[in-house]
Amino acid sequence: QKEVEQNSGPLSVPEGAIASLNCTYSDRVSQSFFWYRQYSGKSPELIMSIYSNGDKEDGRFTAQLNKASQYVSLLIRDSQPSDSATYLCAVGGSQGNLIFGKGTKLSVKP
Amino acid sequence: SAVISQKPSRDICQRGTSLTIQCQVDSQVTMMFWYRQQPGQSLTLIATANQGSEATYESGFVIDKFPISRPNLTFSTLTVSNLSPEDSSIYLCSALLPSYEQYFGPGTRLTVT
Repeated sequence: QKEVEQNSGPLSVPEGAIASLNCTYSDRVSQSFFWYRQYSGKSPELIMSIYSNGDKEDGRFTAQLNKASQYVSLLIRDSQPSDSATYLCAVGGSQGNLIFGKGTKLSVKP
Repeated sequence: SAVISQKPSRDICQRGTSLTIQCQVDSQVTMMFWYRQQPGQSLTLIATANQGSEATYESGFVIDKFPISRPNLTFSTLTVSNLSPEDSSIYLCSALLPSYEQYFGPGTRLTVT
């Protein structure tokens, strides 16, 4: 059974701080990794994808992947109250599907 | 990215009836999926909608309960049959792009009374 683990939070950070979200996965042969943001009552929105070891930056977001440790993280710099949402880590399955973690709820306090 | 629409956005249905949800993608995609998100939970894959053939269901989901059609590369339907209150959930379709990125529709919120 392929599993994706996330700390459910809530994670609370002050405005302007760095938010760090973490995820581990069980299937060593996984090749694709994604972070989705989900606002309450909305569907998941893709914010980052990463496929190779190292860092990938997009604006205020940085995804980090370490396949040896089976670890994926998302850093949000200069956190804003509008970043308050649930962040879902997802790992690509062999059939093109996604296996999701339970999500981490982030709260950014003004 | 892809633009995905779903209809209806929400519905309230009586126990024992069925609801069919439509999913339309603005471009041809090879793979479409249906997920369920129960209140306060993460997303669980129901099935892969295969174009021109029977859907591939995940463990715990069966065709009699969740029949799926995919007549072409941009459209799919999910029917939730013989509804019970336990089926109250959000149902989401998604499309896989050649970039391996997957995008979701806005979801259908189903309440069974």
